Amino acid sequence: DVVMTQSPLSLPVTPGQPAAISCRSSQSLVHSDGNTYLNWFHQRPGQSPRRLIYKVSNRDSRAPDRFSGSGSGTDFTLKISRVEAEDVGVYYCMQGARWPPTFGQGTKVEIK
Amino acid sequence: QVQLVESGGGVVQPGRSLRLSCAASGFTFSTYSMYWVRQAPGRGLECVAVISYDGSEKYYADSVRGRFTISRDNSNYTLYLQMNSLRAEDTALYYCARDQGDGYNQIDYWGQGTLVTVSS
Repeated sequence: DVVMTQSPLSLPVTPGQPAAISCRSSQSLVHSDGNTYLNWFHQRPGQSPRRLIYKVSNRDSRAPDRFSGSGSGTDFTLKISRVEAEDVGVYYCMQGARWPPTFGQGTKVEIK
Repeated sequence: QVQLVESGGGVVQPGRSLRLSCAASGFTFSTYSMYWVRQAPGRGLECVAVISYDGSEKYYADSVRGRFTISRDNSNYTLYLQMNSLRAEDTALYYCARDQGDGYNQIDYWGQGTLVTVSS
């Protein structure tokens, strides 16, 4: 299985400041169809995950525009331009290029 | 809007069986692949099974292959997960999730989950 490694695992943030989470895969996430299947999800305490980003950099229609994704091959980044209080929770990257889809360990974002 | 509502979870003894259901609404169920994803207490996420829109293709994680069966009833907008020979390590919150339908393994919506506890 493709191993997804996130860093940091814990991220204290200051409201109004930017934040970034890194995700690395053990294999390239470029599919034979030419697309790179890397997704980002946000899970608030007690809730199910919600998608933020798909195919590396495409923002879900429900996600605020302060979230952006970038990267290629095996290295990816989720950025929050200005953190808001509602952004607390755990962020997961997920690869869909190879079965089974696999998730990173999660990055817990907390307000300082 | 898209809604996925899981049911069927509970406490079960090791070695016993349980069937989970997921009622879908707000979209044309028969045109989307569907997943079961689980999250053990305090742990991360694991995709355990996927089924194609018409039920013709099914894939399982190694950890459940041969014990779990995913199926669907498109006429009743329902997804199922039959879980046999349950083990303590199957204890988790089980989510039903939808595939976006454009490409590969792109989950776009999740249900609220149903809790399965395997314990004697």
